[in-house]
Amino acid sequence: AQSVTQPDIHITVSEGASLELRCNYSYGATPYLFWYVQSPGQGLQLLLKYFSGDTLVQGIKGFEAEFKRSQSSFNLRKPSVHWSDAAEYFCAVGYGGSQGNLIFGKGTKLSVKP
Amino acid sequence: NAGVTQTPKFRILKIGQSMTLQCTQDMNHNYMYWYRQDPGMGLKLIYYSVGAGITDKGEVPNGYNVSRSTTEDFPLRLELAAPSQTSVYFCASSLPPDRAYEQYFGPGTRLTVT
Repeated sequence: AQSVTQPDIHITVSEGASLELRCNYSYGATPYLFWYVQSPGQGLQLLLKYFSGDTLVQGIKGFEAEFKRSQSSFNLRKPSVHWSDAAEYFCAVGYGGSQGNLIFGKGTKLSVKP
Repeated sequence: NAGVTQTPKFRILKIGQSMTLQCTQDMNHNYMYWYRQDPGMGLKLIYYSVGAGITDKGEVPNGYNVSRSTTEDFPLRLELAAPSQTSVYFCASSLPPDRAYEQYFGPGTRLTVT
C-alpha cells in the first residue's frame, strides 16, 4: 500500500538558519510528489510539486525540494528560514490515476526561534 | 475569486445529531474532495467527486454522505454524529486533467461532537 513518512514530528530552527524537512514514500509506480504548508487555523497551500524531469524543483516562498528515486525521498529545503515560515508542513503522494487523490504524511511542525 | 469557501467555521454537535458541512468553489473546478484532519495524523480522504452527479468513497467514508448536484457545491453530510467524528474538515478542489493533484483548500470546519 502507498504510504508517506515524515520522520520528524516537530523541528525548531533559529531564524536565518537552513532547514531540511524529510519525506519518504512508498509507491510502486512513478510518484507525483507534493509539499503543502498549513499556517495555524488555515487550510493547506501548495508549496511545490514534482511530476517528472529535473529532480530539483523550486517552489514558492524560497523553498525547494529534491526527488531522489534511489532513496524514495522528497526532502524540502530552505537556505535561510524566516519567522513567518513557522507552520506545519505536509508531504503528499499522488495516486489513483486521474482522480487526483493524495496520500498525506502526518506532518512536521516547524518552530522558528528569534 | 473567493476560491474554496466552507461554512460553518466551528460547530459543536451532540451525539446522534446530524449536520451538513457546506463547501463552495468559484474556480470552475471539476474535481472536489473532503478530508478530515486529526491531530498528528495528517489528512485522510473521506469522499471525492470528479464532476456533478459523480461521487466516490475515499479512505474513511463511514458515517458520512456527499452529493454533487452542481459544479460549485460539494456538501458533506454527517448522520448520527459520534465522538469519533470530532475533527477538522477540509474541502478542496482541483482542475483536471493536468492539474488534478494541485488541490486548493478551504479554511476548514472545526467540529466537536460531545
